Amino acid sequence: DAKTTQPTSMDCAEGRAANLPCNHSTISGNEYVYWYRQIHSQGPQYIIHGLKNNETNEMASLIITEDRKSSTLILPHATLRDTAVYYCIVRVNDYGQNFVFGPGTRLSVLP
Amino acid sequence: NAGVTQTPKFQVLKTGQSMTLQCAQDMNHEYMSWYRQDPGMGLRLIHYSVGAGITDQGEVPNGYNVSRSTTEDFPLRLLSAAPSQTSVYFCASSPLGQSYEQYFGPGTRLTVT
Repeated sequence: DAKTTQPTSMDCAEGRAANLPCNHSTISGNEYVYWYRQIHSQGPQYIIHGLKNNETNEMASLIITEDRKSSTLILPHATLRDTAVYYCIVRVNDYGQNFVFGPGTRLSVLP
Repeated sequence: NAGVTQTPKFQVLKTGQSMTLQCAQDMNHEYMSWYRQDPGMGLRLIHYSVGAGITDQGEVPNGYNVSRSTTEDFPLRLLSAAPSQTSVYFCASSPLGQSYEQYFGPGTRLTVT
């Protein structure tokens, strides 16, 4: 699986959009980009995933660059409850593949 | 649905003791896995299973055993606990056709003294 690089930490004002970047310059053509988050010490929670098109769901939007070497997770209106560690993961979408969670980005939403 | 449940929530062991961490899911998911998370670190895969009777090793399998006799249960056994196994352990499950969305349990915090 391709490796990812994320900033260690970020701050965001409550109500503003949080934009979390991820670099995955060695991504292969069949690898997807996944985002999970972990609030306090709870189990990680799935947010969104995509291959090459931008994706949006009720939680967030995922913007993947045309060359697929980087992506951005957007939380459109961050709340205090969005304070968490966010993980960007790249892997093949295959049941035999496992998730490799790196250190992630610690997002702090400030009042 | 209860989702993914793990017991116990907390456990303290002495070096050399053995124990089993329990994981169960009621969503009929074929895929289940165990991760450990050390302080300030991401998760690392220990073992996984794609169905009853089928298990395989992940990134850090040494010192741990698993079995999958039913779809619902995936216990993790520590054979001889060591201080290096002090960690938080997470169990996860997903349908085979939707492996992008893993459902994680609440975790077991294990301390080995």
